[in-house]
Amino acid sequence: DVKVTQSSRYLVKRTGEKVFLECVQDMDHENMFWYRQDPGLGLRLIYFSYDVKMKEKGDIPEGYSVSREKKERFSLILESASTNQTSMYLCAVLATVNTEAFFGQGTRLTVV
Amino acid sequence: DQQVKQNSPSLSVQEGRISILNCDYTNSMFDYFLWYKKYPAEGPTFLISISSIKDKNEDGRFTVFLNKSAKHLSLHIVPSQPGDSAVYFCAASDSGTYKYIFGTGTRLKVLA
Repeated sequence: DVKVTQSSRYLVKRTGEKVFLECVQDMDHENMFWYRQDPGLGLRLIYFSYDVKMKEKGDIPEGYSVSREKKERFSLILESASTNQTSMYLCAVLATVNTEAFFGQGTRLTVV
Repeated sequence: DQQVKQNSPSLSVQEGRISILNCDYTNSMFDYFLWYKKYPAEGPTFLISISSIKDKNEDGRFTVFLNKSAKHLSLHIVPSQPGDSAVYFCAASDSGTYKYIFGTGTRLKVLA
């Protein structure tokens, strides 16, 4: 199984700050995802990447951007954090279609 | 438009009894389905999956049933244990994309 590591478990940031969430995998899988989890809304896809420097918008990309300079690392960037971006952020890695995705432990971000 | 729906936000079951969690989907292109379990402050962990060419898949205490004509899947846990208390998410994808669409989750509480 792939190990997915997110750089922080808990973060508190101020409104307007630029925030970086990092995700690293220990394999060589091409597909990486960023989701956010909110009560009553489930997991919603923000962005995903299917190769280095390749990215696609998910269902809720507004206010976010991503970076994938190396295959093992996928970063989520909040350009100017707002209170409605307070959430649990989850990174996932997928080897290929019709297999399970592996998740990191999550980052609980609070924007004050 | 919610393509994957879990209409029961919560479920309580007595230890030793069966837990049945339900999930409905709308997109007939979905051909792979998964169930994940999530504890608070942790990432989701994969439980079991099923391809659309099957109608049942079993793994120990966990069985997933797929009814394609009704666009419905369910997860059965027998016997339920207190450690099964968590939020359960169903997810669906089609082989043409790498996007996994998640439901809103069902919180299962197994009473000792």
